[in-house]
Amino acid sequence: EPEVTQTPSHQVTQMGQEVILRCVPISNHLYFYWYRQILGQKVEFLVSFYNNEISEKSEIFDDQFSVERPDGSNFTLKIRSTKLEDSAMYFCASSVDGASGNTIYFGEGSWLTVV
Amino acid sequence: AQSVTQPDIHITVSEGASLELRCNYSYGATPYLFWYVQSPGQGLQLLLKYFSGDTLVQGIKGFEAEFKRSQSSFNLRKPSVHWSDAAEYFCAVGGQGAQKLVFGQGTRLTINP
Repeated sequence: EPEVTQTPSHQVTQMGQEVILRCVPISNHLYFYWYRQILGQKVEFLVSFYNNEISEKSEIFDDQFSVERPDGSNFTLKIRSTKLEDSAMYFCASSVDGASGNTIYFGEGSWLTVV
Repeated sequence: AQSVTQPDIHITVSEGASLELRCNYSYGATPYLFWYVQSPGQGLQLLLKYFSGDTLVQGIKGFEAEFKRSQSSFNLRKPSVHWSDAAEYFCAVGGQGAQKLVFGQGTRLTINP
């Protein structure tokens, strides 16, 4: 079964450093997402992306975050200057389209630890 | 605004026993409801979803859930749990035309042998 893949599975970074999390969505999917889960808290929506632009973003997704589809297969989340509170599991996801009720498929997540 | 409440943070059941995980949602229109499972070290896997039709939804791994509009609930059930069902379970709601999901806090399920 096709799946969303994410790299790295775990990254430790120093506060203030830039981090890029990578994702390969399912190949025929058109909508891409990033969610995050701080330890012990809810999974939270960060951003959705369609047709090479952000279609929706949450309040969490401020100027230190950016997303990009640099080529035909990868989808990346960049955090410019990491803070301690950015430590979380980051999930990439994709769906066939943005229609209501469409299944959103999640990757296994990338653990980010900021020290 | 959409919200999801999973009242039970942690549930322990014996292997072979029945299971019900509770989920209550808040949404002003017809919701689209999902249950995801996260096994240790794994991503979020879709168990089942409801968006119209029959209010009793069958999913993978023997799970089912019932949508009750009058109670704003979408509880997950399984008649007989297996040790491999130990995981974190998340209920989520999506709205009309919305691409994002709003998740509950999650319920951690422990299975006693």
